Amino acid sequence: EVQLLESGGNLVQPGGSLRVSCAASGFTFSNYAMSWVRQAPGKGLECVSGITSDGRAFYADSVKGRFTISRDNSKNTLYLQMNSLRVEDTALYYCASPQGGGYYFDYWGQGTLVTVSS
Amino acid sequence: EIVMTQSPVTLSVSPGERATLSCRASQSVSNNLAWYQQKPGQAPRLLIYGASTRATGIPARFSGSGSGTEFTLTISSLQSEDFAVYYCQQYNKWPPWTFGQGTKVEIK
Repeated sequence: EVQLLESGGNLVQPGGSLRVSCAASGFTFSNYAMSWVRQAPGKGLECVSGITSDGRAFYADSVKGRFTISRDNSKNTLYLQMNSLRVEDTALYYCASPQGGGYYFDYWGQGTLVTVSS
Repeated sequence: EIVMTQSPVTLSVSPGERATLSCRASQSVSNNLAWYQQKPGQAPRLLIYGASTRATGIPARFSGSGSGTEFTLTISSLQSEDFAVYYCQQYNKWPPWTFGQGTKVEIK
């Protein structure tokens, strides 16, 4: 059974940094692309970053230059390093995995909450 | 960036009735379009990919159609568990893969 378990969400001040993680199990992690999708309170979904199985990274303009996605295939873990955080980055951050051959998301974690506030 | 626009924002439907949700892309996404269902406090669930292919375990009352810029999700006979928010997502072009703003299907 595919499982994605996010962790690391917290309250952080504007301008601060935070790293969130996603532990994957139930599939061959190294074979698949992974993504981070966020959802601000009461709002819709936004894909902020993705990384291919061979390590190529992609970012939405809203986070480019501030966020860094990475993966550790030996630990079956996905990361999102978030720097220069803004109030508008406050959201539930989901780890999501496209495994069906296209970049649609078959599997989702339950999310980790990042709150940016002074 | 490809902008996805869903309509209506809210759809009021009685149980057993048909629901039709629309999604429009600002440029062609071919058939690289997915639909998700999200219930309060839960992660989104994949319903449809490739514009019209049901994901594993999705009931046949859910169907998708369209290509290019115009897409439709139809729920043929709404069940109580179908009242939720539905999102479309294009995965034809990055950056970024974009979602619509959602359609809330509520009980009439």
